[in-house]
Amino acid sequence: GESVGLHLPTLSVQEGDNSIINCAYSNSASDYFIWYKQESGKGPQFIIDIRSNMDKRQGQRVTVLLNKTVKHLSLQIAATQPGDSAVYFCAEFTGGSQGNLIFGKGTKLSVKP
Amino acid sequence: NAGVTQTPKFQVLKTGQSMTLQCAQDMNHEYMSWYRQDPGMGLRLIHYSVGAGITDQGEVPNGYNVSRSTTEDFPLRLLSAAPSQTSVYFCASSPRDILTQYFGPGTRLLVL
Repeated sequence: GESVGLHLPTLSVQEGDNSIINCAYSNSASDYFIWYKQESGKGPQFIIDIRSNMDKRQGQRVTVLLNKTVKHLSLQIAATQPGDSAVYFCAEFTGGSQGNLIFGKGTKLSVKP
Repeated sequence: NAGVTQTPKFQVLKTGQSMTLQCAQDMNHEYMSWYRQDPGMGLRLIHYSVGAGITDQGEVPNGYNVSRSTTEDFPLRLLSAAPSQTSVYFCASSPRDILTQYFGPGTRLLVL
């Protein structure tokens, strides 16, 4: 889930297990959401996106679920691999100005071999 | 393509010094942006540009200036560095808008 304070929440999973990373967003008017992966010392990398008119979208080994009723997103990673170890964060877009993309604080995923 | 490049990778400044963080992209992207990333916080937008000659303020523009004289380059200037500007800075570019951004590797800035 989202972090409070200076420390990111951490999710530790065994290699091969499925991972679920959660994100609560703030604006009910947000109509587009993006998940990013950020490896240590690198910039964020796009993983998958979803529009508000969808509940679910699947990519390669990743699935994003959107629950607009409770303003909640989740990222599911199937068969988690050591290379999936990173910080994952969501972003919400409320439309209009090109500056209205709000980023979450992130969750650190640690994969144990 | 090199993608989005940022220089320097790491910089130490003293309070009051000025410097420019460089960002360049070779993908002919119209949209470019600068973010800062602080511990325990999400990325925050400093400035952005939707094309050469056009810039606009983001969420935290104070203390930073930008210009966009070419499509390729989008430098970020700190006129008088303050310790509060200690952060990791990311530049990003996109073919058209904020939703399809490619991020650079970042510049880690320490202001003493």
